[in-house]
Amino acid sequence: QKEVEQDPGPLSVPEGAIVSLNCTYSNSAFQYFMWYRQYSRKGPELLMYTYSSGNKEDGRFTAQVDKSSKYISLFIRDSQPSDSATYLCAMSLTGNQFYFGTGTSLTVIP
Amino acid sequence: GAVVSQHPSWVICKSGTSVKIECRSLDFQATTMFWYRQFPKQSLMLMATSNEGSKATYEQGVEKDKFLINHASLTLSTLTVTSAHPEDSSFYICSARGTQRTGVNSPLHFGNGTRLTVT
Repeated sequence: QKEVEQDPGPLSVPEGAIVSLNCTYSNSAFQYFMWYRQYSRKGPELLMYTYSSGNKEDGRFTAQVDKSSKYISLFIRDSQPSDSATYLCAMSLTGNQFYFGTGTSLTVIP
Repeated sequence: GAVVSQHPSWVICKSGTSVKIECRSLDFQATTMFWYRQFPKQSLMLMATSNEGSKATYEQGVEKDKFLINHASLTLSTLTVTSAHPEDSSFYICSARGTQRTGVNSPLHFGNGTRLTVT
């Protein structure tokens, strides 16, 4: 079983839609949870970083961590064509070793 | 926010030559740096982890004599691909992690990657 599971998509939504991206994980001891956005031929860009559980909001982005279900989500409100990218979830136990999902490819159609 | 600068962004070299890729943390001290390789439409594959002043720890299957990593300072790590071959052509990405003042580890910040083409 992989440490982190992420549906690769592709996911295609109309502009303005709410996007939900999800990852599940197997290690209940993970404490650090991250979401990255990666445009083609670029390095991943940190979007959200959560330590422990709960919700975190930053502009149109909301990250949720449900440790009881071992499930994390990223919501994008009012999606824009510029949000078209691959989204990677990542998590860590101590901050020394990181586990990545395979990434979900998102296309927002104008 | 934390910035990681990676150079060059792309490089073409001939088979048998060596290529050096630099990764710098511009506004924080990177206690740990990671080097990844990414194939098209695939996720990140960790190659090695380096701590400042220590030898890098390589993942299984990664040749340490081929992929030389140096982390001589808290702001600079280099990856040298020695005697490059066409199968080494790939997208190489570095990342860096510092330590926040509260003691909670900071997240990874990535460079923009280096696209290596070996002819």
